[in-house]
This record gives sequence, C-alpha cells and structure tokens, in this order.
Amino acid sequence: GQQVMQIPQYQHVQEGEDFTTYCNSSTTLSNIQWYKQRPGGHPVFLIQLVKSGEVKKQKRLTFQFGEAKKNSSLHITATQTTDVGTYFCAGPAGGGNKLTFGTGTQLKVEL
Amino acid sequence: NAGVTQTPKFRVLKTGQSMTLLCAQDMNHEYMYWYRQDPGMGLRLIHYSVGEGTTAKGEVPDGYNVSRLKKQNFLLGLESAAPSQTSVYFCASQIDAGWYEQYFGPGTRLTVT
Repeated sequence: GQQVMQIPQYQHVQEGEDFTTYCNSSTTLSNIQWYKQRPGGHPVFLIQLVKSGEVKKQKRLTFQFGEAKKNSSLHITATQTTDVGTYFCAGPAGGGNKLTFGTGTQLKVEL
Repeated sequence: NAGVTQTPKFRVLKTGQSMTLLCAQDMNHEYMYWYRQDPGMGLRLIHYSVGEGTTAKGEVPDGYNVSRLKKQNFLLGLESAAPSQTSVYFCASQIDAGWYEQYFGPGTRLTVT
C-alpha cells in the first residue's frame, strides 16, 4: 500500500535557525496536505498543495510540492518557540475518501 | 460552534474491559474518521465513515468496531481491550468527498493495563 515517509524524525534547533522537513511518497500524489500538532494537542491543517512544482508561503513557512508530485517539503525561516510541534504531511488514499499521514517530524526550538 | 469534540479525554481500562469513545461534530460534515497515534508512527486510520449509516475499515481496524447512526456522531468501540490498544485516539471530520482539510478533535488518551 501507499507509504508516506518523513525525514528527519526529530530536529532540535536554536531559535532563529532555519528548519526543513521532507515528505516522500511511494506513489504519485494528486495533492498533499500539511498539518501541525502542538505538544499535547491535536493536528491542525496548515495548507494544501495541488500543482506540480507548486510553492506556497505562509509568513515564515514555505511549502513546496515536487515536480513529480511524489515529494514535498516544509521550510521554516528563523524558527521561533511558537513553531514547536510535530509537522505531518498527508496524501490522499483510497480514491479521495481518506488520507495517509506521514510519520511526522518533531521540531524542538531552544532559546 | 464547538467543532469536533471527543468524550472522554482520558481513560484507563483493564485488559478485557470494553468501552466506547464518542466523537461529535457540529459542522454538518459528511465524512468522519478515527485515528490512533503512537510514538514514531504518525496517525493511523482505524475506521471511517462517508455518511450516516456507513462505515469502512481503515489501515488498523482489528479489535475495534464503529457506528454512525447519526450524521453528527461517530462511535468507536473496543469490545475487549488489550495493552496494544494503549494509544491516543483522534477523531476527525471532513466536509465531503474530495481534497478537503480534516478537522480533528482534542483526542482521548487511553491506557490499557
């Protein structure tokens, strides 16, 4: 079945450093979604990418969808303590009725 | 507008006991999902529903049953709990078919001893 892997699994950065997480799918994706889960919280939708090579920005966050639509990345510029959490990518499975979530990247930001 | 709510927030069960987790949404969403989250394994889909009266198996359905008698509610049942079912359970809803975001509830932390 479809597999969605994320690397790295964990990342510790100093506040102000940049951070990137990568998402790789075993199959071509029609779209990809990104979610953020704060410690002790629940996943919250961040963004959806649909087009090959698409790049979207949300303030310090930059999301990219690969040309082959099998990978994606999330880059955070100048991390802040509010960025702490686990970031998940998710791709559609089963004809659009459900999502396959990546394994997640846990980000810790130290002052 | 409460969004997605889950009951209870925490629960401790002994092996072999049964329980039902309740998920409710007030957004009139058609699709609802139950996930479990374990360290290092992301979110895994247990069961889902594409509408009132329908249910379908997800990635890890064994040991769980579900029901969607009303559009706004999605129940997850454990008939005979096992320690392997210790996890955090999240319910989510989606407005309809297609590439839409999912809205998650706050989660239920279940420990089976």
